[in-house]
Amino acid sequence: GQQVMQIPQYQHVQEGEDFTTYCNSSTTLSNIQWYKQRPGGHPVFLIQLVKSGEVKKQKRLTFQFGEAKKNSSLHITATQTTDVGTYFCASASYGKLTFGQGTILTVHP
Amino acid sequence: EAQVTQNPRYLITVTGKKLTVTCSQNMNHEYMSWYRQDPGLGLRQIYYSMNVEVTDKGDVPEGYKVSRKEKRNFPLILESPSPNQTSLYFCASGLQGTGANVLTFGAGSRLTVL
Repeated sequence: GQQVMQIPQYQHVQEGEDFTTYCNSSTTLSNIQWYKQRPGGHPVFLIQLVKSGEVKKQKRLTFQFGEAKKNSSLHITATQTTDVGTYFCASASYGKLTFGQGTILTVHP
Repeated sequence: EAQVTQNPRYLITVTGKKLTVTCSQNMNHEYMSWYRQDPGLGLRQIYYSMNVEVTDKGDVPEGYKVSRKEKRNFPLILESPSPNQTSLYFCASGLQGTGANVLTFGAGSRLTVL
């Protein structure tokens, strides 16, 4: 089945630094979704990308889907303490949803 | 308020005692699914349903059962729980049957099997 590898597993940054998490697959993905889970909370949908080379922005967050649709990234510019949490990528294929292992982001003030 | 409601939120039980975790959504979503979350393993899909009376196995279905008799409800049944099913469980729903859309998650159910 589909597998999605996500790196890094952990990332510690100082407030104001940038942050990037990456997802990679050995197979072509039809879509990629990104979720954020705050400590003690549940995953919350951030965005979905479906087109090759697609780039979407949400304020300080930039999401990319690779040209070959085998990788994706989430970049946060100038992190804030409110950005702490775990960021997951996921891909859906006919109802089956595969998540990356997640990147736990810690932001030091 | 549009939401996915799971119950119970916390449960401690013993090996072999059947239990059901309920999941209900009020958004008329076609798609519903269950996940377990374990440290270092992320979210793993247990079962999913693309429509009423249609259910399919995810990546880790062993030891679990589900049913989708009506659109709004998707209970997760553990017929004979074992300690390796101790985990944090999430139910989620989505508008489209394929799951390739915005998923709304419930608040989670933390299960401990002794």
